Amino acid sequence: DVKVTQSSRYLVKRTGEKVFLECVQDMDHENMFWYRQDPGLGLRLIYFSYDVKMKEKGDIPEGYSVSREKKERFSLILESASTNQTSMYLCASSHLNQRGNQPQHFGDGTRLSIL
Amino acid sequence: DAKTTQPNSMESNEEEPVHLPCNHSTISGTDYIHWYRQLPSQGPEYVIHGLTSNVNNRMASLAIAEDRKSSTLILHRATLRDAAVYYCILRGYGGSQGNLIFGKGTKLSVKP
Repeated sequence: DVKVTQSSRYLVKRTGEKVFLECVQDMDHENMFWYRQDPGLGLRLIYFSYDVKMKEKGDIPEGYSVSREKKERFSLILESASTNQTSMYLCASSHLNQRGNQPQHFGDGTRLSIL
Repeated sequence: DAKTTQPNSMESNEEEPVHLPCNHSTISGTDYIHWYRQLPSQGPEYVIHGLTSNVNNRMASLAIAEDRKSSTLILHRATLRDAAVYYCILRGYGGSQGNLIFGKGTKLSVKP
């Protein structure tokens, strides 16, 4: 079975802190994704990566950056955390999706609270 | 990606079959039909996907209408653990690598 592991289930940080969220997958997937999920807004894509050191902005990249130094690991960085970044953060991975037939596999999520 | 329409909620009794419908009248010929579910306080979980033929896996079955304008996710024997929000999503050829767009989905309740 595919395993996508997020480093923390719950995290509490303070405004202005630099926050790192880590994600590791064990299926040799090319693609990795970071989403946030908020009530009434569904999932929104922050960034994704299709290869090591490659990244693409999603719908809401402002205030975030990412790092992919190894194929299995994708990090989301909140450069200076703000209260409007309080959310559930979800990491996902998949094989390359040229035909639309590749499922994404998700981690359990990190519920991040910024005080 | 084309739009899908699902009922807001459904109820089932434990150990009975559940048929979750999805309408996608604007589906294109190369769109795959994907189903995900999300249990409370967890990330979304891939369930099944298909193109034209019906599909079975250990979790569920996917029945696709002949004209592909609708599909049905079938849980053969609902358990309490199947209580979740179920999402039907279309993914197209050459579509973006990312951006799974989840609609509101169907909230399935399972009664003991």
